Amino acid sequence: AQRVTQPEKLLSVFKGAPVELKCNYSYSGSPELFWYVQYSRQRLQLLLRHISRESIKGFTADLNKGETSFHLKKPFAQEEDSAMYYCALGWAGNMLTFGGGTRLMVKP
Amino acid sequence: DVKVTQSSRYLVKRTGEKVFLECVQDMDHENMFWYRQDPGLGLRLIYFSYDVKMKEKGDIPEGYSVSREKKERFSLILESASTNQTSMYLCASSYPRGGDNSPLHFGNGTRLTVT
Repeated sequence: AQRVTQPEKLLSVFKGAPVELKCNYSYSGSPELFWYVQYSRQRLQLLLRHISRESIKGFTADLNKGETSFHLKKPFAQEEDSAMYYCALGWAGNMLTFGGGTRLMVKP
Repeated sequence: DVKVTQSSRYLVKRTGEKVFLECVQDMDHENMFWYRQDPGLGLRLIYFSYDVKMKEKGDIPEGYSVSREKKERFSLILESASTNQTSMYLCASSYPRGGDNSPLHFGNGTRLTVT
């Protein structure tokens, strides 16, 4: 069965510090990984997906099949990055399994 | 821009009541989903639908049912609300099945409290 693990429920960093939100997955098929973000009082929205291989708002994520990981990284955190982040695994065409989420707090 | 609208932002219901949560999307998406969002548990899929009058159980369907009479509307029904169904409920929609997983578009959520 597919599973997504985000080991940190809360990550607190200072503005300008590097950020890494961890995500590990378990899936026997070919994975498709996403990061979704929910800012305060806003709806959950897609941040990035691994097949796009793009940087969004300075965030990047690389799929490491050997380590079954898809960690989200940003070299210099900004206060506006404070939000709830969910890693998600896509399977069976349009099915998504979400991790438990990590709340990122960026302190001034 | 895709819009997914959930009819209520906050609901307070009593134990045993029948509760309806409504969701409407305006982009002609085939796929619609209901999740519940709980701290530490992330999003868990309750039910989903790939087409009108079609429904499939997700990971936690017990105590819930759904209705999809029209393509744009997907309703979640709590047959007899219980306190452990107090949660944030999120509706989502996406493009047709097949090929790449297309991104989910979420509504603002309905925070349901069952007393």
